[in-house]
Amino acid sequence: GAGVSQSPSNKVTEKGKDVELRCDPISGHTALYWYRQSLGQGLEFLIYFQGNSAPDKSGLPSDRFSAERTGGSVSTLTIQRTQQEDSAVYLCASSLGGPVTHYGYTFGSGTRLTVV
Amino acid sequence: KQEVTQIPAALSVPEGENLVLNCSFTDSAIYNLQWFRQDPGKGLTSLLLIQSSQREQTSGRLNASLDKSSGRSTLYIAASQPGDSATYLCAVRGNDYKLSFGAGTTVTVRA
Repeated sequence: GAGVSQSPSNKVTEKGKDVELRCDPISGHTALYWYRQSLGQGLEFLIYFQGNSAPDKSGLPSDRFSAERTGGSVSTLTIQRTQQEDSAVYLCASSLGGPVTHYGYTFGSGTRLTVV
Repeated sequence: KQEVTQIPAALSVPEGENLVLNCSFTDSAIYNLQWFRQDPGKGLTSLLLIQSSQREQTSGRLNASLDKSSGRSTLYIAASQPGDSATYLCAVRGNDYKLSFGAGTTVTVRA
């Protein structure tokens, strides 16, 4: 597609439920990233995928968070047993090139997650 | 760990004034620096990308400079308009391929 597509755009869930957030990167972009933006906070790195390499999961805040990328394209971020502190905007970005690249990032519009 | 600071945190100017947004970073070993714009409730829109070997980039009314050795970048927006009101984020890309973001400068341009 022309841009990075994320769905849903908004999600309200009850505490303790599981949620899945989807990201469809720009066609041909081999690198995909998830970031989190909490209210009044900066952007926090969560996870990075590059081609078929093992993902860098060093930013995931707890084992309730997991992500996968199928076929080197679409990615799903799953949060199990959601907590109120998980409420944030989850942003996905994609980029051309490998781990070290001079290309910039293109971000999606984000998924606003609210845990009640 | 890379630390990115943006000053000021907020800025309010009358329409027509030039805007100057500052970004500083602690580790000069960067591959590039990217300026983004974020409107309320929206994602990030890329404005300018400056490679580590470059000194500046220009796009329309926007100009961004980079002084890697001193760890500074400045975004200039000429002849501001109310539509320029948004939060502007500076992000640096290190050799670990992650972007480190500043907290942003929230700009209000008064008509």
